Amino acid sequence: SQTIHQWPATLVQPVGSPLSLECTVEGTSNPNLYWYRQAAGRGLQLLFYSIGIDQISSEVPQNLSASRPQDRQFILSSKKLLLSDSGFYLCAWSNTWDEKLFFGSGTQLSVL
Amino acid sequence: KQEVTQIPAALSVPEGENLVLNCSFTDSAIYNLQWFRQDPGKGLTSLLLIQSSQREQTSGRLNASLDKSSGRSTLYIAASQPGDSATYLCAVRLVDSNYQLIWGAGTKLIIKP
Repeated sequence: SQTIHQWPATLVQPVGSPLSLECTVEGTSNPNLYWYRQAAGRGLQLLFYSIGIDQISSEVPQNLSASRPQDRQFILSSKKLLLSDSGFYLCAWSNTWDEKLFFGSGTQLSVL
Repeated sequence: KQEVTQIPAALSVPEGENLVLNCSFTDSAIYNLQWFRQDPGKGLTSLLLIQSSQREQTSGRLNASLDKSSGRSTLYIAASQPGDSATYLCAVRLVDSNYQLIWGAGTKLIIKP
């Protein structure tokens, strides 16, 4: 069966510090991968999606970036965090035949 | 522009009742519709996926229906339990953009023991 791992679960970072959130998927190959952000009391915002290694699209201009160094690994990064980057970050994957979306457990990021 | 609406925003019912959550969308040109639940501080759990060619899907006590012509989907929960308390979200995947989902704001469901 397929599983998705996302870490860390919580993170407190000072403004201006770097960020690296990692997500890996097991039990499938060539998944579509996504990074979402969920701000408190608001809906889900798609940040990045990837249909393959080195194929990453950004949906929202921001100081975040994403990379996919391996087929089942997706990394969300920032060189300098802003206060507005605080939120709940969710990694997700979907297969290519029915596009059913599965989410990781999320990372609560607080930028202080 | 596709918009997804979930009404009501919150719902509180006694344990054991059957209930229906609603999801409406403005453009019938969808690829699929998916229902999720989210517990506080947790990720989203996929419940049911309905492809555009399907009318309903069932999993245990859950049944989701899709009526593209009227732009509506319902999630039916039978014999509700306190463990069903969560926020339920629906999301529509567009035909012309396989990677972008349009999300409803969710219905917060509380099942009272």
